[in-house]
Parts: sequence; structure tokens; C-alpha cells
Amino acid sequence: QQPVQSPQAVILREGEDAVINCSSSKALYSVHWYRQKHGEAPVFLMILLKGGEQKGHEKISASFNEKKQQSSLYLTASQLSYSGTYFCGTPGGAAGNKLTFGGGTRVLVKP
Amino acid sequence: NAGVTQTPKFQVLKTGQSMTLQCAQDMNHNSMYWYRQDPGMGLRLIYYSASEGTTDKGEVPNGYNVSRLNKREFSLRLESAAPSQTSVYFCASRTGTGEQPQHFGDGTRLSIL
Repeated sequence: QQPVQSPQAVILREGEDAVINCSSSKALYSVHWYRQKHGEAPVFLMILLKGGEQKGHEKISASFNEKKQQSSLYLTASQLSYSGTYFCGTPGGAAGNKLTFGGGTRVLVKP
Repeated sequence: NAGVTQTPKFQVLKTGQSMTLQCAQDMNHNSMYWYRQDPGMGLRLIYYSASEGTTDKGEVPNGYNVSRLNKREFSLRLESAAPSQTSVYFCASRTGTGEQPQHFGDGTRLSIL
């Protein structure tokens, strides 16, 4: 089952903050985050492995709450380069090999 | 270091034609994946191969077949192309387990008229 992302889109001014949420109806043991620029392939940002663990990439950080079966991505002091579509992915299948992505959140950072 | 290589990059087909999309990785990864991405939409898993010799269906397998030719190569075949299969197709690979990142190819842009 696909994870559900919210919001679907967000527009920011440079320097503003935003939060993207990813929720699953099934138990999670890890969550992936990727960013895709227009016309390009998705690029890996980070993997959250433990409940409550936070990781960071540039000024982008994320948290993972196992109990709530959700992860949040935090864009802090956004830069123009943060524009793109952000996807969360959740492993599944027999050995966690199958990776299913949410519908994506479009982020536009304006000057 | 090429990573994940997809061929062709662009293709136009007529309805009913067949086509094989090629994907090769040079990172010695065990698992390989095929996704499709429709305009403005997310990534939907078509098929994946957890390891050489195995393939499994994803969310949208109908109309497609796959072959894991060896550890490096994973091909996607459209036997009788339909306009609904117009999309960007991404191949991806990773070491194998849930804790490892996925690496994507640059995509194949496929139009079916």
C-alpha cells in the first residue's frame, strides 16, 4: 500500500520553513526520503530507521514516529535549491526489498 | 562510475507495437526495480527483482513483463503498447535491504500514439 503524503503542494519564500508529512496504514520500520527536480531522476536524501530518530541533509531534517506510523520532513530556512518534488518511500515485501512511494509533495521556493 | 543506465532515453511507439526498455547497473546491487511516473504524479512500482533469478509484481504490473537477465541487467517489456502506457519509466537499484538507498537511472520517456 502506498504511503500518503501531505500537503500535495507548498509555496515558500526563501528563508521560510515547511513540513511535509508521510503516513502509512501499516507498521513501518524505516522510511526513505527522495527529492526530484523537474525533468530529472529522484535523488536519495535520507533514511529514517528508528522511531523518533532524526537525520539531516543540508538544512533538511526528518523524524520518524513508529507508533504513529508516520514520518515528517522539515525544510528549514528554505533555499531556492530546495524546489522540487519530495517523495517518501516505505519498504515492504518479504524481506523489505519492495519500496513503495507516496504521491509526492511539490515544493516551490520563491525569491 | 555510470551507476544505473537506461536505454533508450526517448521512444515513440504506435499502439500495438512492442518494446523492451533496458536497464543496467554497475554497483553490484542485488535488487532492481521498474517504476512509471505519469505527468505530475508519483512513482508507481511496476515490477521488482529482489535478487538475480527472482521477480515480483508491484502496484501496476498489467501490460508489462520483466526479465532479470543477470545481476546487472533488468529489462521491461511492453508486448502490445497502449496509449495509457505513455509515461516516464525509471529503473532503480539498491543493495537489497530496507536500510539501503535506492539509486535511479535517468529515465526513459515513452510516448504511445
